[in-house]
Amino acid sequence: SFDLTQPPSVSVSPGQTARITCSGDELPSQYAYWYHQKPGQAPVVVMYKDTERPSGIPERFSGSISGTKVTLTISGAQAEDEGDYYCQSVDNSGFLIFGGGTKLTVL
Amino acid sequence: QVQLQESGPGLVKPSETLSLSCSVSGVSVTSGTHCWAWIRQPPGKGLEWIGYVFHSGRTTYNPSLKSRVTLSVDTSKNHFSLRLDSVTAADRAIYYCARLFVVEPTSSMPSGVYYVDSWGQGALVTVSS
Repeated sequence: SFDLTQPPSVSVSPGQTARITCSGDELPSQYAYWYHQKPGQAPVVVMYKDTERPSGIPERFSGSISGTKVTLTISGAQAEDEGDYYCQSVDNSGFLIFGGGTKLTVL
Repeated sequence: QVQLQESGPGLVKPSETLSLSCSVSGVSVTSGTHCWAWIRQPPGKGLEWIGYVFHSGRTTYNPSLKSRVTLSVDTSKNHFSLRLDSVTAADRAIYYCARLFVVEPTSSMPSGVYYVDSWGQGALVTVSS
């Protein structure tokens, strides 16, 4: 298994670009996924297979990977984008791994 | 549209067994591209994967919980279940049932695909005497 490391918090002003990173040794060989969780709600997937955006997710969300780090970018962050973001991957035994989560503040 | 709904006791005594069920509607649990997972989240903390089960009954568990967890699927009722034995206060959490999209690794695609595409609303379970 391996760990996924995220910054505890990221803050941006409305309309600015937010970047949330997730680091893990196996990310070059395993896909990463991103979930957004608002207070009191279940998470929602906003990115899968590193860079694929599910239907219904705004185009301002994008994903990228460079080496052992994946990044979720929100271009023109809005108040509704606030909340916790979790990255997730899988090890070669099929065990799911979650990052510790990043609290995004838009103010 | 798939919907998942957790049900079960919200309070469990220490050392006893936590049992939750997840009712699935809008899709059959026998779907070939998905399996069924449980994920928990202690209040105010991060997500922890518990395990997942295929409709065949094949399971994969988080190694840290494996000795206490049993997942099962009931295709006749279109639901799946979680059993967690010998609970302690550390097991207090919101328990989510979830549908996991899965493409298992192959020689041509060594990196499988595993992600949650649908979640239940979550059920808070407290452990207290």
